Amino acid sequence: EPEVTQTPSHQVTQMGQEVILRCVPISNHLYFYWYRQILGQKVEFLVSFYNNEISEKSEIFDDQFSVERPDGSNFTLKIRSTKLEDSAMYFCASKVVMNTEAFFGQGTRLTVV
Amino acid sequence: DQQVKQNSPSLSVQEGRISILNCDYTNSMFDYFLWYKKYPAEGPTFLISISSIKDKNEDGRFTVFLNKSAKHLSLHIVPSQPGDSAVYFCAASSAGGTSYGKLTFGQGTILTVHP
Repeated sequence: EPEVTQTPSHQVTQMGQEVILRCVPISNHLYFYWYRQILGQKVEFLVSFYNNEISEKSEIFDDQFSVERPDGSNFTLKIRSTKLEDSAMYFCASKVVMNTEAFFGQGTRLTVV
Repeated sequence: DQQVKQNSPSLSVQEGRISILNCDYTNSMFDYFLWYKKYPAEGPTFLISISSIKDKNEDGRFTVFLNKSAKHLSLHIVPSQPGDSAVYFCAASSAGGTSYGKLTFGQGTILTVHP
């Protein structure tokens, strides 16, 4: 069964460093998303990506964040200068058309120290 | 932002009995609703969904009911099994406007099914 895969599963980084979280969405999907879940809180939307551009972003997704789909298979989330409050589980998701279920990856746990 | 709310943080049920998880929403633009199951350190796994044109959808042991006038949906699991123990998230999306299908999640309900 096709699945969304994310690497790494756990990333520890120093405050102020750049991190890149990687995702390989399901191959025939057209809509791509990043969500995050801070420990003990709800899953929050960060950004959606469609037709090779950002289609929507939340107020969390400020200038420190960027996304790319560089080669038609990978989908990356970059945080330029990490802050302690960026520590969370980051989930990549994809879906084939808009109002269908999104399939989630297993997540990357980002710890900023 | 409390557009989707799950007011019960936890639910404990005996194996074989019915589990009922509830969810309320405030945004009348939502037209597609989903339930996800999540284990610790894993991503959410899709369970079942319902479009706003329906009031019920069944898939095996899982049934989702939608009451649009009350802006309320529920997930029924019958019979409940110990393997159902997990966190259950309600989520909603809208096909309209500039939404592009983003999901808005509730806070989750921890379901524990006792043998």
